[in-house]
Amino acid sequence: LAKTTQPISMDSYEGQEVNITCSHNNIATNDYITWYQQFPSQGPRFIIQGYKTKVTNEVASLFIPADRKSSTLSLPRVSLSDTAVYYCLVGDYNYGQNFVFGPGTRLSVLP
Amino acid sequence: GAGVSQSPSNKVTEKGKDVELRCDPISGHTALYWYRQSLGQGLEFLIYFQGNSAPDKSGLPSDRFSAERTGGSVSTLTIQRTQQEDSAVYLCASSRLDQGGDGYTFGSGTRLTVV
Repeated sequence: LAKTTQPISMDSYEGQEVNITCSHNNIATNDYITWYQQFPSQGPRFIIQGYKTKVTNEVASLFIPADRKSSTLSLPRVSLSDTAVYYCLVGDYNYGQNFVFGPGTRLSVLP
Repeated sequence: GAGVSQSPSNKVTEKGKDVELRCDPISGHTALYWYRQSLGQGLEFLIYFQGNSAPDKSGLPSDRFSAERTGGSVSTLTIQRTQQEDSAVYLCASSRLDQGGDGYTFGSGTRLTVV
């Protein structure tokens, strides 16, 4: 299973763009990159998923370079409600493998 | 249903008692996962089901923990002779087994407190 490394914590201010980078040097050919968001007392929630290049949805953008050894989650104009833990996962959903959740990145958005 | 449903949402039990936690996944989701999360910690994998079989039980912490899934749908996680260190939030997730899906959908969890 591809191991991921991401910063333990980040601080930002309301209205700023936040970029969280995840390293996954041993990503496999069939692996997708998925990001989840978790608020206190809730289960993680899917944010965005990609395989290569750039993916954008109504919540975030995901940038994946050609070598796919890293990915960057971009949150535009964060608000206080974006304070949460963000997890980067790498794996192949075709086989329902056990996805290992690392400690994630604890984002604190300040007023 | 529209989402993953877990019950009960909260459970307080005495040390040494058995507990059963239930997960009702999204209809049509073949894969089902159990994780647990201690206060302020990350998610710890427990077990994964593909249909009714469990290819990966590697995360079950001891033989006091067991899980089953019937009809490719509802799953029950059973903890026998509960200990205080079993106190945590137990999260269930389900997913389709295909590429480019929307990943896992998690339930809201069962908060287990062993006193």
